[in-house]
Amino acid sequence: DGGITQSPKYLFRKEGQNVTLSCEQNLNHDAMYWYRQDPGQGLRLIYYSQIVNDFQKGDIAEGYSVSREKKESFPLTVTSAQKNPTAFYLCASSPTGTALNYGYTFGSGTRLTVV
Amino acid sequence: GENVEQHPSTLSVQEGDSAVIKCTYSDSASNYFPWYKQELGKGPQLIIDIRSNVGEKKDQRIAVTLNKTAKHFSLHITETQPEDSAVYFCAASIDYGGSQGNLIFGKGTKLSVKP
Repeated sequence: DGGITQSPKYLFRKEGQNVTLSCEQNLNHDAMYWYRQDPGQGLRLIYYSQIVNDFQKGDIAEGYSVSREKKESFPLTVTSAQKNPTAFYLCASSPTGTALNYGYTFGSGTRLTVV
Repeated sequence: GENVEQHPSTLSVQEGDSAVIKCTYSDSASNYFPWYKQELGKGPQLIIDIRSNVGEKKDQRIAVTLNKTAKHFSLHITETQPEDSAVYFCAASIDYGGSQGNLIFGKGTKLSVKP
């Protein structure tokens, strides 16, 4: 089955540590996205990538970094510079260009907690 | 840039009643409007979408209406069931002439269906 996989489901980080969240898709989608979700805040865009080896900052990129070395993979690193990283993180992918369906496919999320 | 407002933030209905969630958008160039359902601890799932050349679209108990003049669109759920309880997000994106812009999400509506 085609889909998008996020791992781990739960992640605990000590203050001052960097952690990396994994996102893999086998939908052959060109674009991938990372969102942060906090209660009452909706979905806030962290980073997105329209093509391999290229990515753009979203609305809340500070304290985060990404890479896009392969079409299938878009890992997110939460650095120690992110002062309030506890949140639910969602990865998504979508087709681009003249695709008829622009809907995003989301992963099941990673819940990150600072301990 | 595009801004999407969603109301209400919470909605409680009795099983069997209808539920309506409304969204407004700011940029008249927006032409794609999906709706997502997010169950607790999971990623959002696309449930229905509509394009600006269509005024209404139905899929069993759910329907979406679009008023381009007023720049608002609505999700209608009829004969609600307890399994409809979830957070619903609306979104909009702009056609830049051959490439689709990123989805801009509303802040979500928590729907509770009481048995």
